[in-house]
Amino acid sequence: LAKTTQPISMDSYEGQEVNITCSHNNIATNDYITWYQQFPSQGPRFIIQGYKTKVTNEVASLFIPADRKSSTLSLPRVSLSDTAVYYCLVGPTGGFKTIFGAGTRLFVKA
Amino acid sequence: GAVVSQHPSWVICKSGTSVKIECRSLDFQATTMFWYRQFPKQSLMLMATSNEGSKATYEQGVEKDKFLINHASLTLSTLTVTSAHPEDSSFYICSALSQDNPIYNEQFFGPGTRLTVL
Repeated sequence: LAKTTQPISMDSYEGQEVNITCSHNNIATNDYITWYQQFPSQGPRFIIQGYKTKVTNEVASLFIPADRKSSTLSLPRVSLSDTAVYYCLVGPTGGFKTIFGAGTRLFVKA
Repeated sequence: GAVVSQHPSWVICKSGTSVKIECRSLDFQATTMFWYRQFPKQSLMLMATSNEGSKATYEQGVEKDKFLINHASLTLSTLTVTSAHPEDSSFYICSALSQDNPIYNEQFFGPGTRLTVL
């Protein structure tokens, strides 16, 4: 399983765009990149998943360069409620187990 | 859709007792469920992979005789912490995979169970 590296923490202000980058140098050909959000004392919540290039949904965008050795989660116009821990996970499809890294603790200030 | 529940949401027990935590997929069938443990300010640590109708696969360092996992149906997996001790106090989270889910490998997580052993 590919190991992931993320910044431990980030601070931002309301209304700003936040970009969290994840490194995964050993990503395999059949690995997908998935991001989860976790609030204190809650289970993680799926945000977005991608394989290459760019993926966008109603809450975030995911940018993946051609070499796929990193990915960037982009949160547009964050609010106080976006304060959470964000995890980048890399793994194959088909129900394989997922290993969580340390995650990035995002703190949004007013 | 794709809701996973856990019961209880929190439990306090005395040292030496056993505690059972249930994980249910409410609106889909889950052939594979995962159990995680999370200590304060730390990431989720995978404990075991549970497949319906077969024995669970435990991660290295996780005692299978202490953390009993049963996945008897496609919608229910249970984790029993046997002879619990204070060091077992943690936040236990389960997740489930849906084969019908168009997003591969997306895990649907339960809300977690807070276990406190006195």
